[in-house]
Order: sequence, then C-alpha cells, then structure tokens
Amino acid sequence: QSALTQPASVSGSPGQSITISCTGTSSDIGYYNYVSWYQQHPGKAPKLLIYDVSNRPSGVSNRFSGSKSGNTASLTISGLQAEDEADYYCKSYANGSPLYVFGSGTKVTVL
Amino acid sequence: EVQLLESGGGLVQPGGSLRLSCAASGFTFGLYAMTWVRQAPGKGLEWVSAISGSGDYTYYPDSLKGRFTISRDNSKNTLYLQMNSLRADDTAEYYCARKCTTSCHRFDIWGQGTMVTVSS
Repeated sequence: QSALTQPASVSGSPGQSITISCTGTSSDIGYYNYVSWYQQHPGKAPKLLIYDVSNRPSGVSNRFSGSKSGNTASLTISGLQAEDEADYYCKSYANGSPLYVFGSGTKVTVL
Repeated sequence: EVQLLESGGGLVQPGGSLRLSCAASGFTFGLYAMTWVRQAPGKGLEWVSAISGSGDYTYYPDSLKGRFTISRDNSKNTLYLQMNSLRADDTAEYYCARKCTTSCHRFDIWGQGTMVTVSS
C-alpha cells in the first residue's frame, strides 16, 4: 500500500484557518474510522494531535480539529499561530500490509 | 511522568545487525501494545512493527518481515527491535511509541528517537 496523499505544503497568516487533506483508499481511510494526525517540529518526535478521525487527546488545543469524508480525511487548524509551524502527518489503520499507513507529510508555514 | 527512551542506535555496515531498546516509565507497560516507527533523513514517517501488551502477537509490513523482530520484556519495562541484514535504506531515526490496545490505533506517547546509519 502506498503512503496516504497529503499536500507538500500549506501556508497561512496568523489568525487564519488552514486545512490539510489526506487522501487514501477504500482499504484504509474509507473503511475505518481510525485516522490520526501527528505534529512534528524540526528535530523532535511526533506528537499525537487527533485520533479516531476527530478526537483530541487531553492537552491538545481545540484549535485543531479533524474530519473525514469518504476516502479523504482533513485536519483544520484555526487561529493559526507561529508555534503551529511544523510538519503534519496523517495515519490510518489499513486492511492489509502495512497495518498502518502514514501520509506523505505536509509542511505548514505561518507567514 | 510517562516516558519512553530509545537507545542502541549507531553506525553499522551493510549486512550487519543492531538491536534497539526502548525503556518505558510512568505507566503500566504490560497493559499497552507498543510500536516502532522510523523516519529516513528528510523523509516521512514509516510504520515498522507492533507488538501486543503480552508480547504474544507481533505485526510487520511485508517489506520488513524476516529481517526485523520486535519483542518485549514486561519485567524490565523494555521494548526491543532486532534488525538483521541491514541495508542503506534502513538508515533512519527509529522511534518507539505507545499504542492503546483493543480496537484502538493511536500512538499517543513517543520516545525521542535513536538514529541508525547503515554505511560502509
């Protein structure tokens, strides 16, 4: 199975909202509600932002929200802040090998 | 504090072996499944392996089956990844992560990573 498809980069000004898409297939995103999103700052480990499509772990800002429609999941960042500048990866549980497939990653730039 | 700490990375020649370790603290280790994820320099994340809380069940992508082996010692709160027949494209930062158990697929706690470089 190939990596899930994400835009290479997305940018926005402080205070704006941006949305990152993550496109898979009917064997992963389209079949399961097990999409999660991870934020990774340069040189740091990934951090869980969203799980099971739209759930936030405790401690994660409510500026981050997730959704899904068909084979595509989305992460929206509202009220964009300088600290949101990072790489973002989606991940889905999949039917087959590999068991978990990550997205190609999106670099978010705050203008 | 919930924490994962990887070790064991380093420089290894092509065809060589390496065993990574991941020491867990701050939670009941045996109640959680665990996983390894890697990231080649400048590239994206790639799932490497997973293991159940008891260690009875292990999972790999077809591309790594037979070369990598995941295991755990719940008495030592430690996760392992044995990597054999290493190739240049195995060069990556290797992260261990905690995974919730039944019908649950989020990786909620990550270690800081350990770098593996395969080169002659």
